[in-house]
Amino acid sequence: DGGITQSPKYLFRKEGQNVTLSCEQNLNHDAMYWYRQDPGQGLRLIYYSQIVNDFQKGDIAEGYSVSREKKESFPLTVTSAQKNPTAFYLCASDRGLGEQFFGPGTRLTVL
Amino acid sequence: QKEVEQDPGPLSVPEGAIVSLNCTYSNSAFQYFMWYRQYSRKGPELLMYTYSSGNKEDGRFTAQVDKSSKYISLFIRDSQPSDSATYLCAMSVSWGKLQFGAGTQVVVTP
Repeated sequence: DGGITQSPKYLFRKEGQNVTLSCEQNLNHDAMYWYRQDPGQGLRLIYYSQIVNDFQKGDIAEGYSVSREKKESFPLTVTSAQKNPTAFYLCASDRGLGEQFFGPGTRLTVL
Repeated sequence: QKEVEQDPGPLSVPEGAIVSLNCTYSNSAFQYFMWYRQYSRKGPELLMYTYSSGNKEDGRFTAQVDKSSKYISLFIRDSQPSDSATYLCAMSVSWGKLQFGAGTQVVVTP
């Protein structure tokens, strides 16, 4: 089955801690994206990557970092510089025709 | 002002009724339009994808795009309780960066 997997499903972070969210796809898509979803605000773009070893900042990149060493993988690190990281994080990919397909999400909570 | 406006609802309808959802936008350069369905605590699922003005039908779902009015709609016929979800509109200038509406919560009551 082709698709996008995200792990873990739930993640808890202490103050001052960096955490990394995993995103893997086996759809052979070139482009991958990270979004943040807060109640009542829809999805906001954090980072995106159109090819391996290249990525661009989205609308809310401050406090986040990414890497794209393999086509299949696009991990997101939430750093201690992100002051309000509690949110639902969604990873997506597309094949270049505009349709984005989403993973199941990771819910991050700051303790 | 947000680029994409969507009424958050909730929109409550009886089973079997038509659900009517819409989004307005301000950027006339948008040319790709999508509707996603999102169940609670799940990732969004792509329902409809359109490129041009006009109607597109897929089963019980019909998407409309009116570029002259900067307005898109989604209609769900013969609604079922399983249609209860949040519906997100999304649009882009070219493939890649999508702008999302805030989502409309729909509740279909038996």
